[in-house]
Amino acid sequence: DSGVTQTPKHLITATGQRVTLRCSPRSGDLSVYWYQQSLDQGLQFLIQYYNGEERAKGNILERFSAQQFPDLHSELNLSSLELGDSALYFCASSVDFVGPPADSPLHFGNGTRLTVT
Amino acid sequence: AQKITQTQPGMFVQEKEAVTLDCTYDTSDPSYGLFWYKQPSSGEMIFLIYQGSYDQQNATEGRYSLNFQKARKSANLVISASQLGDSAMYFCAMSRIQGAQKLVFGQGTRLTINP
Repeated sequence: DSGVTQTPKHLITATGQRVTLRCSPRSGDLSVYWYQQSLDQGLQFLIQYYNGEERAKGNILERFSAQQFPDLHSELNLSSLELGDSALYFCASSVDFVGPPADSPLHFGNGTRLTVT
Repeated sequence: AQKITQTQPGMFVQEKEAVTLDCTYDTSDPSYGLFWYKQPSSGEMIFLIYQGSYDQQNATEGRYSLNFQKARKSANLVISASQLGDSAMYFCAMSRIQGAQKLVFGQGTRLTINP
């Protein structure tokens, strides 16, 4: 168990809808990352937050947004959903934003599997 | 831009044998980190091992070792004495050392351990 909690585990929704994915990082971790794993694109970095502030952005669509709350949990909001948004969405956390990866590797949650029909 | 290439879509190995999973990378960054993650059929991503580009020695973690050849831009994962529980997808990834761990992943290798 990585200590990173993601809810829900599965989500089935229709095109055009909006969903929210939730992530609780490991105790003590200040950084939260979101990744998307799809069949055609593989694993892609979406966005990173550190202690409530956005710090890095990857291939995140404008229809997607995220935030990190004062208690450090994070939410990923996906809107105007399309069939191509079906994927496994991972949250990962680490201790330190600036520390070397050897000291603070990313620990991934079990993911939320989103199916858009 | 960073790129990871894993050329083995699938591998089949007998239990207790050693296995090498190939990974080559491309980057213009002077310093970078290389990672291996394991994804069992249950879906979670499990961190296995890390190698920094300036590390003099190859990284080892239990039965896992990373064969880092900088001149060849390769970072192969070696699993010694394979076990049935090693059956999974394995992903090689890289990122810059400084700043956010914006991991760039390869397409993965599906490893199957046969009894």
